[in-house]
Amino acid sequence: GENVEQHPSTLSVQEGDSAVIKCTYSDSASNYFPWYKQELGKRPQLIIDIRSNVGEKKDQRIAVTLNKTAKHFSLHITETQPEDSAVYFCGGDSGGSNYKLTFGKGTLLTVNP
Amino acid sequence: NAGVTQTPKFRVLKTGQSMTLLCAQDMNHEYMYWYRQDPGMGLRLIHYSVGEGTTAKGEVPDGYNVSRLKKQNFLLGLESAAPSQTSVYFCATSRGAGEQFFGPGTRLTVL
Repeated sequence: GENVEQHPSTLSVQEGDSAVIKCTYSDSASNYFPWYKQELGKRPQLIIDIRSNVGEKKDQRIAVTLNKTAKHFSLHITETQPEDSAVYFCGGDSGGSNYKLTFGKGTLLTVNP
Repeated sequence: NAGVTQTPKFRVLKTGQSMTLLCAQDMNHEYMYWYRQDPGMGLRLIHYSVGEGTTAKGEVPDGYNVSRLKKQNFLLGLESAAPSQTSVYFCATSRGAGEQFFGPGTRLTVL
């Protein structure tokens, strides 16, 4: 099955700086890679996703890049704000059963004012 | 629309007790999932369902059972609770490949 590794486990940045979180995956048949944000005590919510036929996707201050050859993808947050502080999870589908996701262990991002 | 709801929000059990967690959705999604979330472990899939009347094992199914008798409901059962099952449980739904929508979670403590 799919194995997703996520780094770093914690990340602290100053407001206005950029933050980058990286994930690697094992299943070369995986096609779908979402990123979820979970604020303290809340449910995970999708913030951006990318499919294997695309190398990069942007949505305002967030972007995701995908390198299928190297089997890794990254979340980039620019101009970070205190409200970006949360736990972020990356995920990857199981290529043959692409409705099933495997998640990384999460990154606690802290944005210091 | 309520989206995805979970009942109960909190529960404390004693070792050996049983309980059922209910997930309900009004999104008409075929796929439903149960995850557990433990500190430093991310979200781990317990069981999932690809449609009414079907269930399948995920990554950590031991000690849990599920049923999907109606499309809109997915039940997670603990027959004999153990302290290792102390966790936050999330239900999620999806149309298929793509975004999963999560419920608010159930915080379970087993003493």
